[in-house]
Amino acid sequence: EVVMTQSPATLSVSPGERASLSCRASQSVNSDHLAWYQQRPGQAPRLLISGASSRATGIPDRFSGSGSGTDFTLIISRLEPEDFAVYYCQQYVASPLTFTFGPGTRVEIK
Amino acid sequence: EVQLVESGGNSVQPGGSLRLSCAASGFPFRVYSMNWVRQAPGEGLEWIAYLTSDERTMFYADSVKGRFIISRDNAKNLLYLQMRSLRSEDTAVYYCVRSVRGQGDYWGQGTLVSVSS
Repeated sequence: EVVMTQSPATLSVSPGERASLSCRASQSVNSDHLAWYQQRPGQAPRLLISGASSRATGIPDRFSGSGSGTDFTLIISRLEPEDFAVYYCQQYVASPLTFTFGPGTRVEIK
Repeated sequence: EVQLVESGGNSVQPGGSLRLSCAASGFPFRVYSMNWVRQAPGEGLEWIAYLTSDERTMFYADSVKGRFIISRDNAKNLLYLQMRSLRSEDTAVYYCVRSVRGQGDYWGQGTLVSVSS
């Protein structure tokens, strides 16, 4: 079973600064099946990045994803007030069929 | 516009049953895999069930296997989650999620299930 870990658990950043979030898998995962989600307080999660690096529809270009194998990164280049939220990575394996989220990284205002 | 609207959440006693529904619109429901993801209060996300468009392949998290059943009605654009033998640890917001290549591209707003005596 693939275990996803995220670091840091909490990231304190000032508006306008850059944030770098890490997601690590316990074994190599298919980059095509690695996603990042944003969850603002009181809201449902929304897809930010699919396939490790492809922004979802309507996602601003200040969000970028990269990585392969076991190490993946989400970069928010210039934090806007609405970006302070919890971010989850998630992987999918087709065989055996599994879906696993990381525990999340909370991005808070410094 | 893609819309997923969950319903059926409620308060129920341990050991009870509940059926959640998700009404889908704005896309060809019958060609997409659909899912349920839940989030316990103050906790992270847990992907608990998956069903392909043709209903041939399904996935259940170990935490719900044998107690929950995911199903769909492609003629009515509805997704269901039948839950039985509910436990306090099943208390959560349940999200209906459309997926592509195992990634949730559209999410509903969620419905709250509370299990307590």
